[in-house]
Amino acid sequence: EIVLTQSPDFQSVALKEKVTITCRASHSIGTSLHWYQQKPDQSPKLLIKYASQSFSGVPSRFSGSGSGTHFTLTIDGLEAEDVATYFCQQSSSRPLTFGGGTKVDVK
Amino acid sequence: EVQLMESGGGLVQPGESLKLSCAASGFKFNDFAMAWVRQAPGKGLEWVSDIAGSGASTYYADSVKGRFTISSDRSKNTVYLQMRSLRGEDTAVYYCVRASAVVGLPFSFDFWGQGTRVTVSS
Repeated sequence: EIVLTQSPDFQSVALKEKVTITCRASHSIGTSLHWYQQKPDQSPKLLIKYASQSFSGVPSRFSGSGSGTHFTLTIDGLEAEDVATYFCQQSSSRPLTFGGGTKVDVK
Repeated sequence: EVQLMESGGGLVQPGESLKLSCAASGFKFNDFAMAWVRQAPGKGLEWVSDIAGSGASTYYADSVKGRFTISSDRSKNTVYLQMRSLRGEDTAVYYCVRASAVVGLPFSFDFWGQGTRVTVSS
């Protein structure tokens, strides 16, 4: 099973500041890594697929990078509506697994 | 517009069964694999099962293998999750999810339903 480790668990950031979330895989997964945003009391939504491809309708301040075992989600200028928990997920092999999540709040 | 509408959740006792349904619309059902992903209260996300667009291939997490069965009815654009021998640790919100591929890995989960809550408790 591929284990995904996200860091940090929690991040408090001022509005307009940059947010960086890391996801590390226990084995190389190429670019089969996806990022989701879950706002309070809502279902998750796809943000970034295959490490760096933005999903349709996602604001341009969200970007992803990485390959192999190290991946990053960046929010370039936090907005109030970005308060949420962010999860990474791998689809390189089954079982499909998720990271533990990173909760982002406004400082 | 892609829409996924789950139903069938509720409160059941340990050992009992429950069947979840997910009615899909807004896309060609046969062209996409479908999945169930669950989230226990206050916890992260856990993949449960997925089924190919044709319905021919199914996959399960070890935690539910032998107890849960995923199926689909292409005439109704609906995917199901039959859950048997339910345990307390199955308590969660269950999301119906559309995969970005018809079969095989890799794929992302590109659309999610609102979820249906399952509580297993005596």
